[in-house]
Amino acid sequence: DTEVTQTPKHLVMGMTNKKSLKCEQHMGHRAMYWYKQKAKKPPELMFVYSYEKLSINESVPSRFSPECPNSSLLNLHLHALQPEDSALYLCASSQESARVNTEAFFGQGTRLTVV
Amino acid sequence: GENVEQHPSTLSVQEGDSAVIKCTYSDSASNYFPWYKQELGKRPQLIIDIRSNVGEKKDQRIAVTLNKTAKHFSLHITETQPEDSAVYFCAASSTSYDKVIFGPGTSLSVIP
Repeated sequence: DTEVTQTPKHLVMGMTNKKSLKCEQHMGHRAMYWYKQKAKKPPELMFVYSYEKLSINESVPSRFSPECPNSSLLNLHLHALQPEDSALYLCASSQESARVNTEAFFGQGTRLTVV
Repeated sequence: GENVEQHPSTLSVQEGDSAVIKCTYSDSASNYFPWYKQELGKRPQLIIDIRSNVGEKKDQRIAVTLNKTAKHFSLHITETQPEDSAVYFCAASSTSYDKVIFGPGTSLSVIP
């Protein structure tokens, strides 16, 4: 199994809603990532978890809250988002952290629209 | 921190021709350089990578070269096919930091 699975694939939410994005991998990877990608732009790193501990928060607003319940799961909790937060949210995993220079496997992403 | 630049931003080639995408990086500690291909509406996928102890790596029609002195690395695609049309991202990472830095991307169109 070389898949990173993200749910839901599409999400429309109002600015007062609370929702969560989910990501799952069963490759035994110990590093997991959340990226945000706007159209025609590269993925922009948001958070890095290494061995289930948050190792990087790229100064992301607190309306985005990550959670790593176990080594296979990564969640992104969303609350009080703004329309400019609409984007493709990509989860990725790698065998070890980026310090060890291993390939990152990306999920298909969640297309988020904030109305 | 690391900064990765990429050129050109768009590239159109005739089917069968070669395509070259060039990237530069700023941090001399960077030592791993992956290339990702992202087709429209799909996830980025690794197509080739190179480490700093190697100058060139080839995989069928795709090759990557690295010049550590100049801090340049390039992707070469030969005998291009329409299915090569996508956005290509170069990237860099280092054992010094826990993240991969992406270049801005090159939109490649292969015209049949």
